[in-house]
Amino acid sequence: GENVEQHPSTLSVQEGDSAVIKCTYSDSASNYFPWYKQELGKRPQLIIDIRSNVGEKKDQRIAVTLNKTAKHFSLHITETQPEDSAVYFCAARLPHYGGSQGNLIFGKGTKLSVKP
Amino acid sequence: KAGVTQTPRYLIKTRGQQVTLSCSPISGHRSVSWYQQTPGQGLQFLFEYFSETQRNKGNFPGRFSGRQFSNSRSEMNVSTLELGDSALYLCASSLEGLAGELFFGEGSRLTVL
Repeated sequence: GENVEQHPSTLSVQEGDSAVIKCTYSDSASNYFPWYKQELGKRPQLIIDIRSNVGEKKDQRIAVTLNKTAKHFSLHITETQPEDSAVYFCAARLPHYGGSQGNLIFGKGTKLSVKP
Repeated sequence: KAGVTQTPRYLIKTRGQQVTLSCSPISGHRSVSWYQQTPGQGLQFLFEYFSETQRNKGNFPGRFSGRQFSNSRSEMNVSTLELGDSALYLCASSLEGLAGELFFGEGSRLTVL
């Protein structure tokens, strides 16, 4: 089945620096890759997503890149701010086909700390 | 617009019992999906319902089941509870299902003693 590996598990940066979180997936049929941010004690919220027919997507300070050949995708946050501190989850969606049901596999999360 | 509502927010059960959790989606969303969140395993997808039919399923044993009603409200049931079932159970609603933005509820925190 699909497997998603996420690295690093913890990341500490200085305010203003960039942060990069990487995920790899195993099933080349996966076609949708969202990133969720979960602040302490709160529910996960979508921050950016990318579909398999696109290589890069940007939204202000946040960007996601997808390399289908290597089966990995990355989250890039520039000019980090203390409010970026949270746990970030990547995910890969495996569509249902044939007799198999689809699935949505999350990475184990990266705890990002941005120090003022 | 009201967000996703989950009940109960907290509950304590003992091993062997069963539990039912409820989720009311955002109005107009026909997709409801369920997730288990634990410190060790992160977020794990359980299943997704769309228009009362299970459309996608994660890798959980048959003790975990769900259903969806005609008003899109969904319930999740766990039978024969085990200590390892202690977790935060999140539900999410979506317009596009698993290929679109998920709007999560605050979760139901289950403790199994």
